[in-house]
Amino acid sequence: DIQMTQSPSTLSASVGDRVTITCRASQTLSGWLAWYQQKPGKAPKLLIYKASTLESGVPSRFSGSGSGTEFSLTISSLQPDDFATYYCHQYSLYPYTFGQGTKLEI
Amino acid sequence: EVQLVESGGGLVQPGGSLRLSCAASGFTFSGNVMNWVRQAPGKGLEWVSAISGLSGSSHYAASVRGRFTISRDNSMNTLSLEMSSLRVEDTAVYYCAKGAARGQLDAWGQGALVTVSA
Repeated sequence: DIQMTQSPSTLSASVGDRVTITCRASQTLSGWLAWYQQKPGKAPKLLIYKASTLESGVPSRFSGSGSGTEFSLTISSLQPDDFATYYCHQYSLYPYTFGQGTKLEI
Repeated sequence: EVQLVESGGGLVQPGGSLRLSCAASGFTFSGNVMNWVRQAPGKGLEWVSAISGLSGSSHYAASVRGRFTISRDNSMNTLSLEMSSLRVEDTAVYYCAKGAARGQLDAWGQGALVTVSA
């Protein structure tokens, strides 16, 4: 199985900050990497797919980059609504796997 | 608008069985891979299973293989997860998720809570 290592597990930041979350895969993903946002008590929401493609309706302050085994999610200027937990997800091979999550807190 | 609505969650004893269902609408159900993803209380996301749109080929996480069975009824736009030999560690919110063209999960249900406890 492909292991996904996400860091940091917790990130403290302020409104207006630029933040980056990283995800490392145990083998190459050929770009098949997605990022999700989850708020307490809610289902996850797709933000980014194919490593860097913004899902329709997602604000442009979110961006994804990376290739091979190293990927990152960047939020250019944090807004109050962005404080949530973020997960990376590889869909290159079954079984699909998720990173352990990054809680972004004020 | 894509809608996914799970049902069938509840409390079950260890060793018991339960069947989850997911009613889908707003898209061509037979054209998409469908998935189950779970989240134990206070924990992260864990992919559980997937089933292809037409062929019905299925895949499972090692933690549930041999105990869970995914199925779909394309005529009723319904996805199911039959869970047997349930363990305390299967306690989680189970989400139904629609797979997009290549595999990212672009729509999710609200989740169904399954509690395995004596």
